[in-house]
Amino acid sequence: GQSLEQPSEVTAVEGAIVQINCTYQTSGFYGLSWYQQHDGGAPTFLSYNGLDGLEETGRFSSFLSRSDSYGYLLLQELQMKDSASYFCAAKAAGNKLTFGGGTRVLVKP
Amino acid sequence: KAGVTQTPRYLIKTRGQQVTLSCSPISGHRSVSWYQQTPGQGLQFLFEYFSETQRNKGNFPGRFSGRQFSNSRSEMNVSTLELGDSALYLCASSRDSFDEQFFGPGTRLTVL
Repeated sequence: GQSLEQPSEVTAVEGAIVQINCTYQTSGFYGLSWYQQHDGGAPTFLSYNGLDGLEETGRFSSFLSRSDSYGYLLLQELQMKDSASYFCAAKAAGNKLTFGGGTRVLVKP
Repeated sequence: KAGVTQTPRYLIKTRGQQVTLSCSPISGHRSVSWYQQTPGQGLQFLFEYFSETQRNKGNFPGRFSGRQFSNSRSEMNVSTLELGDSALYLCASSRDSFDEQFFGPGTRLTVL
């Protein structure tokens, strides 16, 4: 089977840094994606890590360690608009994509 | 470029009825995936179609089915609706299977 674990909720203040961890158990693992979803909206793609290491896209960075079956999404200089749910998703052999349960990030002023 | 569109946006049905949801992918995208999203279960994969063929299927009963047309538009059908089928149904398109996925706004189905 395939499963991904991520924290259910994280709260932080504006300007802070938040790290959302994602551990996975996936056979035939290819890579890890991250999606953002605001309440009432559709998920939108943030990043994809196919190789170990850090990928930086503006205030958001994503990291993958295949040996640890672990990845994280780092949100820097938090803004109120970053309040949303964040999902990790593992891409695996056989054209499989499995989503984690999502982490709700609440940014407070 | 137009985004992924889904129709209808909202739907209310009663138990035992059937429903058909439609998804039009981004032009040039051949892969269409369907997901069910509920507060308790998160995003659950239903199935994926690529060039009119079902490539992948999640762990849902046979009441859930889908198809894809030659223009890549896709439909999913749920027969004999149950209360537990109330959810947001999301469609996502991508160039190839599970590349960066572009999600539509979803269809919110309520089963009474």
